[in-house]
Amino acid sequence: GAGVSQTPSNKVTEKGKYVELRCDPISGHTALYWYRQSLGQGPEFLIYFQGTGAADDSGLPNDRFFAVRPEGSVSTLKIQRTERGDSAVYLCASSQGQANTGELFFGEGSRLTVL
Amino acid sequence: AQTVTQSQPEMSVQEAETVTLSCTYDTSESNYYLFWYKQPPSRQMILVIRQEAYKQQNATENRFSVNFQKAAKSFSLKISDSQLGDTAMYFCAFMRPGTYKYIFGTGTRLKVLA
Repeated sequence: GAGVSQTPSNKVTEKGKYVELRCDPISGHTALYWYRQSLGQGPEFLIYFQGTGAADDSGLPNDRFFAVRPEGSVSTLKIQRTERGDSAVYLCASSQGQANTGELFFGEGSRLTVL
Repeated sequence: AQTVTQSQPEMSVQEAETVTLSCTYDTSESNYYLFWYKQPPSRQMILVIRQEAYKQQNATENRFSVNFQKAAKSFSLKISDSQLGDTAMYFCAFMRPGTYKYIFGTGTRLKVLA
């Protein structure tokens, strides 16, 4: 597609459930990023992929969060045993190679609500 | 650690008028990038303007310009001839070259009034 695509747009789940959020980056972009935006806050870095490997996962808040990018394109953010505090908009972004010009191209995010 | 501060949670401006959004940051680095991103209700973050710290000239993109004061660590965004479509959240962000992590401020909600 022309832009970064994220699905689902909205996800409501119950506490303790497992969720997956999908990101399809711009074609040809080798770098992919996940950010989390809580209500009233700016986005916070979670994880960065260069190709298939997670180059930096230092922003993942705990071991309930995991992300994969098995073929170097689509990525899935996985959250186990969801908690109410996980409620946020999860933004995905991509760029050509490492973001040496700085610009990231964002999707519209997946809003996760944990009841 | 770097921090980015946006002290104006909300602002409003009349259509066709000019508005300035403030941003300050803290870093010990000498070279870095600064950005303003716009986030409309669709939630998609869109790059408005970018400034490289080693460039003294202020960046300009059509109706958008910045006032970059490196010594003061200030990076304000001026929107001229405001349009209804400018209504959105605006985020200031910092990034070190060669890295991939944005440090965002908490945002300013701008409303353009008809």
